[in-house]
Amino acid sequence: DTGVSQDPRHKITKRGQNVTFRCDPISEHNRLYWYRQTLGQGPEFLTYFQNEAQLEKSRLLSDRFSAERPKGSFSTLEIQRTEQGDSAMYLCASRMGGLDEQFFGPGTRLTVL
Amino acid sequence: SQQGEEDPQALSIQEGENATMNCSYKTSINNLQWYRQNSGRGLVHLILIRSNEREKHSGRLRVTLDTSKKSSSLLITASRAADTASYFCATSYGNNRLAFGKGNQVVVIP
Repeated sequence: DTGVSQDPRHKITKRGQNVTFRCDPISEHNRLYWYRQTLGQGPEFLTYFQNEAQLEKSRLLSDRFSAERPKGSFSTLEIQRTEQGDSAMYLCASRMGGLDEQFFGPGTRLTVL
Repeated sequence: SQQGEEDPQALSIQEGENATMNCSYKTSINNLQWYRQNSGRGLVHLILIRSNEREKHSGRLRVTLDTSKKSSSLLITASRAADTASYFCATSYGNNRLAFGKGNQVVVIP
């Protein structure tokens, strides 16, 4: 257990539905990242927060995706109008400013039927 | 986009043997990190090597970095069944976002 938690661990939804995932980073970590991992591949960067500010977004983050980090603590990732191609593991990671190591949560596995 | 590219991508060894994995990348980096992922679970940070370092050790792990060849290797000595996992190299860029390779699947046979 790295100290980063994600909820839910698994989500099955039908195409077209909206889903929201939550990440609780290690409390003193002010940097937070979201990644997406598909089967047989390494994780791909989606977005980055420093405190409550979303400072970087990947081109992978289409208009259907939105991420927030209100108050600079937990973060949510919402996918609207899900598509089958959204099926993946969504990983959250956090780190402390000034240090390089990222601590990953267990991930949320999304299956879109 | 994916930067790291591990080689080989699947490795099966006997317990007690050493396992070596290689990783290549394309552009200048801040640092290179290796992570382990057990089946269907989150990633665990193993070791980090900075761009000005050439070799680093941590327990049974040894990582090397050759910035002229844009490559790194991870050596796990005296492997154990518990080392069975996927291993990813990741290069660090601005804001410390990580670019991962496709990963090496390592199976250690007891």
